[in-house]
Amino acid sequence: AQSVAQPEDQVNVAEGNPLTVKCTYSVSGNPYLFWYVQYPNRGLQFLLKYITGDNLVKGSYGFEAEFNKSQTSFHLKKPSALVSDSALYFCAVRDEGVGRRALTFGSGTRLQVQP
Amino acid sequence: DTGVSQDPRHKITKRGQNVTFRCDPISEHNRLYWYRQTLGQGPEFLTYFQNEAQLEKSRLLSDRFSAERPKGSFSTLEIQRTEQGDSAMYLCASNRDRAEAFFGQGTRLTVV
Repeated sequence: AQSVAQPEDQVNVAEGNPLTVKCTYSVSGNPYLFWYVQYPNRGLQFLLKYITGDNLVKGSYGFEAEFNKSQTSFHLKKPSALVSDSALYFCAVRDEGVGRRALTFGSGTRLQVQP
Repeated sequence: DTGVSQDPRHKITKRGQNVTFRCDPISEHNRLYWYRQTLGQGPEFLTYFQNEAQLEKSRLLSDRFSAERPKGSFSTLEIQRTEQGDSAMYLCASNRDRAEAFFGQGTRLTVV
């Protein structure tokens, strides 16, 4: 079975400071990992993905994430937070090793960036 | 707009009524997914189509739920005899092969 954990319900950071949103996963095969962002009353927007290759993945809006196989983590990071980054962030995994096609999502982390 | 389109955006229905939602995926995407999201939770997988074939169904998809994707284009999700516990945001997503999935804005269902 595939699963994702986002241990923090909310992350607060001051504008201009670096931010990290944590994600750990569990799969039996090879993980495909994704980050999505959700603004109020909107669908999910794709930010970035890890399929294979470099462990550091760069995505939209200056976000990046680091894949760590030994720690089974895929934390989302940004060097300098903006107030407009305030939103709900979801980590998701797909276990390609067992042929799963659907994503399993974490419970989400609300990012609050203070001016 | 060439994104994933869902209709309606909002639906209020009385308990026991049937409802149907529609999803139009991105045109070249062969895979289509339905998810359900309740307040404070991440989306939960319901069902998956590759072209017109429904290849996977979650245990969350009770007998009251049915989904179709005729001709491998748009999809419909029907809920029969709605219950208050069905109140949620229903999200549709599509992708091609192993690429990332793109989501629609969802249909918010309220059962009163």
